[in-house]
Parts: sequence; structure tokens; C-alpha cells
Amino acid sequence: KQEVTQIPAALSVPEGENLVLNCSFTDSAIYNLQWFRQDPGKGLTSLLLIQSSQREQTSGRLNASLDKSSGRSTLYIAASQPGDSATYLCAVPDQTGANNLFFGTGTRLTVIP
Amino acid sequence: EAGVAQSPRYKIIEKRQSVAFWCNPISGHATLYWYQQILGQGPKLLIQFQNNGVVDDSQLPKDRFSAERLKGVDSTLKIQPAKLEDSAVYLCASSLEWSSGNTIYFGEGSWLTVV
Repeated sequence: KQEVTQIPAALSVPEGENLVLNCSFTDSAIYNLQWFRQDPGKGLTSLLLIQSSQREQTSGRLNASLDKSSGRSTLYIAASQPGDSATYLCAVPDQTGANNLFFGTGTRLTVIP
Repeated sequence: EAGVAQSPRYKIIEKRQSVAFWCNPISGHATLYWYQQILGQGPKLLIQFQNNGVVDDSQLPKDRFSAERLKGVDSTLKIQPAKLEDSAVYLCASSLEWSSGNTIYFGEGSWLTVV
């Protein structure tokens, strides 16, 4: 069974810093990997989806990388802003090809003004 | 475009009582999901529907949880009888199709507290 781990569990940084969030998964036979954002009391919003054939994906100040062989992904946030404060979760689908996602426990990010 | 709608947003019940949550997915989305998110954990899939058929319900505690998606649109998740450990957020989500890579859109969740 796929297991997804995220470290650190929580992170506080001053505004303007660049930061990296980590995600690891136990089974490297994945179709893709997604990063989500969750604001307090809200649902999840998809940020980036990296296909298994891709090495990275970018959207604005966000850049996600994928290394299938080592079972790792990173989410890089450039020039962090207080509005980036949220919990970030990574997720991978199961091996059947269905969209059943296995989520990590998330990293709670606080950007201090 | 309207998002995934869920109700009620908050519910407090006593253990052994029953509760039902309702979800209306984005129009045209064939696939609907129910996830359970316990505080401090990532969401865990309970059940996945494709139209009105079940794709995956392997993690649904069938002795107390049930879900249906009649007519392939709205869905209801029921818990009966509830236990203390069922306290969680129940997230409904939808996507165009069931296969991996389709963007999943989440509702804001139904928060359940069992006392």
C-alpha cells in the first residue's frame, strides 16, 4: 500500500524568503503527483500536477519537482507572502490508474509579515 | 462556474446517533468522491463513484457507513451508528472522469463532531 510522508509538519518563515516543502512516497510506480493547498476550514485546491514522465511543473511562484526513482517530490515557493500561509499536501493516485489519491499529512506553512 | 456544494457545514451528534451529508458535484462531472479527513491527517478516500456506479469503496467501513449516488448526480453519505472516532471533516470532491490525472475539485467539507 502506498504511503506518503511530508516533512516538516510545520514551517514558519519571514515574508520574502524562498522555501522548500518535501514529499516522499514508498511506491515509485505512480502515474502522477499533485500538490494541494488547504486553507483553515476550507477544502483543498489543486496547485500543480506533475505527470510521471515530467521532472517539474511551474505555476507562478510555485515550482514542483518529481524524482520517481527516489520516491520524492519538492514544492518550491519563491518570495513567500503572508497569503501563502496554509497547509500544503501532496498526493499520488493508486496503481490501478483510478483517481483514488493517497495524501500525505501536510506541511502547515506560516509566512510572517 | 459553481463549485462542489456540501451540506450541512457543521454537525454535532451524540455517539450511536445517525447523520447524513449531502453533496452536489460540479455540473457534468461523472466522478464523485467522499474523503474523510481527521484533524492533523491527510484526507483518506472512503468511496469513489463513476456516474451512479461504485469504482472503489475498499476503505469504507461498511458496517456503519453507506453512500449512494442515485441518478449519477447528487450523493449522500450516511453514518449509522456514529462513533467518537468518526469525528472528522467529510470532503466531497468531483472530477470530469475517473482516471488518474483528472483535476479533482473539493467542496469545503462537512465538519462532524461526535460527543
